[in-house]
Amino acid sequence: DQQVKQNSPSLSVQEGRISILNCDYTNSMFDYFLWYKKYPAEGPTFLISISSIKDKNEDGRFTVFLNKSAKHLSLHIVPSQPGDSAVYFCASRQTGGGADGLTFGKGTHLIIQP
Amino acid sequence: KAGVTQTPRYLIKTRGQQVTLSCSPISGHRSVSWYQQTPGQGLQFLFEYFSETQRNKGNFPGRFSGRQFSNSRSEMNVSTLELGDSALYLCASSPSRGLAGYETQYFGPGTRLLVL
Repeated sequence: DQQVKQNSPSLSVQEGRISILNCDYTNSMFDYFLWYKKYPAEGPTFLISISSIKDKNEDGRFTVFLNKSAKHLSLHIVPSQPGDSAVYFCASRQTGGGADGLTFGKGTHLIIQP
Repeated sequence: KAGVTQTPRYLIKTRGQQVTLSCSPISGHRSVSWYQQTPGQGLQFLFEYFSETQRNKGNFPGRFSGRQFSNSRSEMNVSTLELGDSALYLCASSPSRGLAGYETQYFGPGTRLLVL
């Protein structure tokens, strides 16, 4: 049973436009959410995170939105650049003692077209 | 500050053998977690070590084990390798008990294991 779902395996966006990557989760105990970017043959690189006490967090071109009632989060990249082409993973976890590690979605392959 | 390092980067083994992978966390980080990435299952949590003790474990068989040393370096071992163990093994570190708070895990480049 997938607790974190990224329903779009791939997304193609024109350079300069907004990229919106979506993620849904089912475990209501998750209270910390992270986005990672991954290139082939490399480890995931941390992009941005958000805790459940917030509904938005911004860092430069990256903004993450959290809708707790819908158990949905999204990553907005504005403007999209060619170097943003990569696989993006949404990850979640439950903080506090006894928590398991990060639970990852299957990833969305973002392709930025010139 | 140097990032998380993992050795070796690539490894080829045959079924039935065992393998040991190594991870050095970011300097000052005390928590190390291990993940397995495969095309079918994606990224899955193996276990987490903090202060030389395994704190959490994912849903993997006992053939997968690990340890952490006093300098926070960690090793994971897979015994009696199976074809399905072919994967990218990733190590991540965080400053303290990352899984217990709002801390970010930083990943190494991974070790690509191929089991023939």
